[in-house]
Amino acid sequence: DTEVTQTPKHLVMGMTNKKSLKCEQHMGHRAMYWYKQKAKKPPELMFVYSYEKLSINESVPSRFSPECPNSSLLNLHLHALQPEDSALYLCASSQDFAGVTDTQYFGPGTRLTVL
Amino acid sequence: EDKVVQSPLSLVVHEGDTVTLNCSYEVTNFRSLLWYKQEKKAPTFLFMLTSSGIEKKSGRLSSILDKKELFSILNITATQTGDSAVYLCAVEEVQGAQKLVFGQGTRLTINP
Repeated sequence: DTEVTQTPKHLVMGMTNKKSLKCEQHMGHRAMYWYKQKAKKPPELMFVYSYEKLSINESVPSRFSPECPNSSLLNLHLHALQPEDSALYLCASSQDFAGVTDTQYFGPGTRLTVL
Repeated sequence: EDKVVQSPLSLVVHEGDTVTLNCSYEVTNFRSLLWYKQEKKAPTFLFMLTSSGIEKKSGRLSSILDKKELFSILNITATQTGDSAVYLCAVEEVQGAQKLVFGQGTRLTINP
């Protein structure tokens, strides 16, 4: 089973709303990732969690707040977003054993529209 | 600055043709190079390459890495309309945790 699930599939929100994106995997992976993908562009890394600790924050604005409640779950809390934040948000996971190369498996994404 | 460059950016061929997609990279702390296929939603994994000169094959797809010249190619033989997609090359670098740097992608269209 190489499935990463994401909810919701689609989200429309206003600039004053607070919402959350959710990601789940049951492959025993210990690294989880958030990417942002604009139309016709490659995915851009936002955050990396390794063993439930934030390892990489790619200078993402504070209106995006990640959370890793346990090794299977990854959330992205959204607050006071801008229309330019509209994009496909992809979650991925990998084994992340130190010193071992590994594949990242992607979820189907949440298509976010900010009005 | 780390870079991953794919070429061509767009390619249109007829069913049955063979295509070669290119990916060159300049990253520090290289660990591996991955190819993904992206249709409408999530990228799906194709290959991971870590060693030079060793071809990986999966059906009509194959890929090889040259770590001296810093590039990889993805070949698709006897193309089918279902191969139409964006093909993404990503380089994994070691930075405490794994980090993927993606190329812009090659949009491949297979016409019947």
